[in-house]
Amino acid sequence: DADVTQTPRNRITKTGKRIMLECSQTKGHDRMYWYRQDPGLGLRLIYYSFDVKDINKGEISDGYSVSRQAQAKFSLSLESAIPNQTALYFCATSDPSGPFTDTQYFGPGTRLTVL
Amino acid sequence: GQNIDQPTEMTATEGAIVQINCTYQTSGFNGLFWYQQHAGEAPTFLSYNVLDGLEEKGRFSSFLSRSKGYSYLLLKELQMKDSASYLCAVMDSNYQLIWGAGTKLIIKP
Repeated sequence: DADVTQTPRNRITKTGKRIMLECSQTKGHDRMYWYRQDPGLGLRLIYYSFDVKDINKGEISDGYSVSRQAQAKFSLSLESAIPNQTALYFCATSDPSGPFTDTQYFGPGTRLTVL
Repeated sequence: GQNIDQPTEMTATEGAIVQINCTYQTSGFNGLFWYQQHAGEAPTFLSYNVLDGLEEKGRFSSFLSRSKGYSYLLLKELQMKDSASYLCAVMDSNYQLIWGAGTKLIIKP
C-alpha cells in the first residue's frame, strides 16, 4: 500500500467551481505539504502544516485554502477554480527527526484541469 | 531572491556516465536534495548532502561544495529507465525547500 495517497488522481472542472483535493498518509509524519507543478517550473509550495494545529502559507497561497483534519489528513481547496490553476498537484510529508533531515515523500499527484 | 539553476535538458547514451549540475543562491543552507521524477509521476528521493564532499549510493553519487553554491548528481552505467527529470532542491534558513525547475535526462540506446 502506498504511504501517501491522493484523491482524486485526475479531475476536470469548470471555472468558478469549488474543488477539494485530499491527501492521506500512513507514514506517521507530522509535517505535510501541498505543491503545484507546472511545465518548465519548479515545484511551488502552496501551504504547509507542521502539526494538526499549525497551518502556514507558502509561496503561492492566493486562491487556495487548506484543512488539517488529523495527523494523517491534509486537504487542499480551490474556492473558485480558475484556468490558471490547471496544474499537477502534489502532497508531501516529512519527518524532521528522520535520517535525512526533513526529507519529503510525495503522493502520486492529482492532475487538475480547469476549463 | 532565492534561485536554483540546473540545465533544462541533457542527452546521454546507455551505459555511459552523465553529470547534472546545480547551482544555488539561497537565504541560508540546511542541506541539498536530489529527486528523480518520471513523467507524470511523483518525485522520489535520491540523495541528501549537507557537508562538502561526495556521497555515493550505488550507481548514483552526489557532490556538494557549499562555498561555491554548487552540487552535481553523477549517474553511472546509464540504463534506459534512468530517463527522467532530476530535481535539485535546497533547504533554506527557514527549513523551506527551494526547488529547481529540473533537468530532463534523455537516454539513447
